[in-house]
Parts: sequence; C-alpha cells; structure tokens
Amino acid sequence: NAGVMQNPRHLVRRRGQEARLRCSPMKGHSHVYWYRQLPEEGLKFMVYLQKENIIDESGMPKERFSAEFPKEGPSILRIQQVVRGDSAAYFCASSLGQGNLNEQFFGPGTRLTVL
Amino acid sequence: GENVEQHPSTLSVQEGDSAVIKCTYSDSASNYFPWYKQELGKRPQLIIDIRSNVGEKKDQRIAVTLNKTAKHFSLHITETQPEDSAVYFCAASDSSASKIIFGSGTRLSIRP
Repeated sequence: NAGVMQNPRHLVRRRGQEARLRCSPMKGHSHVYWYRQLPEEGLKFMVYLQKENIIDESGMPKERFSAEFPKEGPSILRIQQVVRGDSAAYFCASSLGQGNLNEQFFGPGTRLTVL
Repeated sequence: GENVEQHPSTLSVQEGDSAVIKCTYSDSASNYFPWYKQELGKRPQLIIDIRSNVGEKKDQRIAVTLNKTAKHFSLHITETQPEDSAVYFCAASDSSASKIIFGSGTRLSIRP
C-alpha cells in the first residue's frame, strides 16, 4: 500500500497564475481532507470531500480556492490567481470512512511558493 | 466552532528527562483527541490518540491524559531521546470528524 500520494511535492508559481495540487488517497479510501500549513504554524482544515461530493468546505477561502474529488482520478485543490499569502504547505489526508473511528492518514504535502 | 490552544510553543529538555505538552479545547462535543508528530519537512504522523470515554492512555514512553470537565488534555513523553525532537500537534474532533482542529504546535528539542 503506497499510502497517500501528493504531487507535485514542490510548486513554484508567480502571482496571478493558477496552482493545481493533486492528492491520491490510500487504496480503498473514499474520504479526502485538505489542510494548509503556514510556516511555523499548525495545520488548518480547508475542505472535506467524498467521491464527487463536497461535505464540508467551512475552511476554504470564499474566493480563488476550489476543490474536487471526481469519480475517477485524484482529488484536486485549485488556487486561482495566486498571491504571496498562498505560499504554504498543503497536506491532504484520507480515511476509510467518516467519523473519528477512522484515522486520517496524511500525504507528504505540496509546498507552494508564490513569487 | 472548536478552538484548540497548545503550550508551550517551544520546549527544550535534557535527554532522559520528561516532556509535557498541554492543550485545551473549547467545544464540549469534541470526543476524539489525536496527537501528531511532525519532523522537519515531513508529514504529520499520528503517535497516540485518546477518546473521551477514558482518562488516560499509555504506549511505551508516551502517555496522554484527558480531563473532560476542564477541557484539558496533555501529552507526556518519558525518558526522552534525540529522535523525539520534532514539532508536536494536539488536535480535537467530534464524532462526525469532518475535520480535525489542530493546536499551534510545540517544537520539542532534546539536549544531549
């Protein structure tokens, strides 16, 4: 079992460009969570998705950010018109089911740098 | 919503001594409290967790305690070793676990 995969591991974008971050959950997991970690800070919840559905997006900024988890393929976190403040590590996690009986396993993260 | 406070933000202990990290939470509906260890540039990894139906849990050199009345929980590491150096995060979630709310982290350094 390869675990949670994220790519790219490092992404550099100029202000105004788009960033696409991909997350492949562990085999058999249909629940995906995205978190953002600013330098020297804790992880902040962004969004929780199941296949083809957004369950909780209470941590997502209202503008420029979107997430999807299609029936086939990885979950995508998309940031449009990036700004310097978007520079952070973005972690996704996956779980087998909903509820805290199911551990969330984290991916290695994507480190986004906005120039 | 839930808010998790963690302290201290940095902690330096002599190798072999114990380290204690404390957290408080605000939402009485929270019933699951995991602790994560994050080494530099790496992913967070679950090291131990505790649920609200118990007050203490131990796994070798690591123990967690929970006081639901006071909404406090703590991580205790005994006989610290150099490989314990990392950032530790406490967290809380409720039964739905649509999200985990993390504390701000404690940078633990073990002095040789």
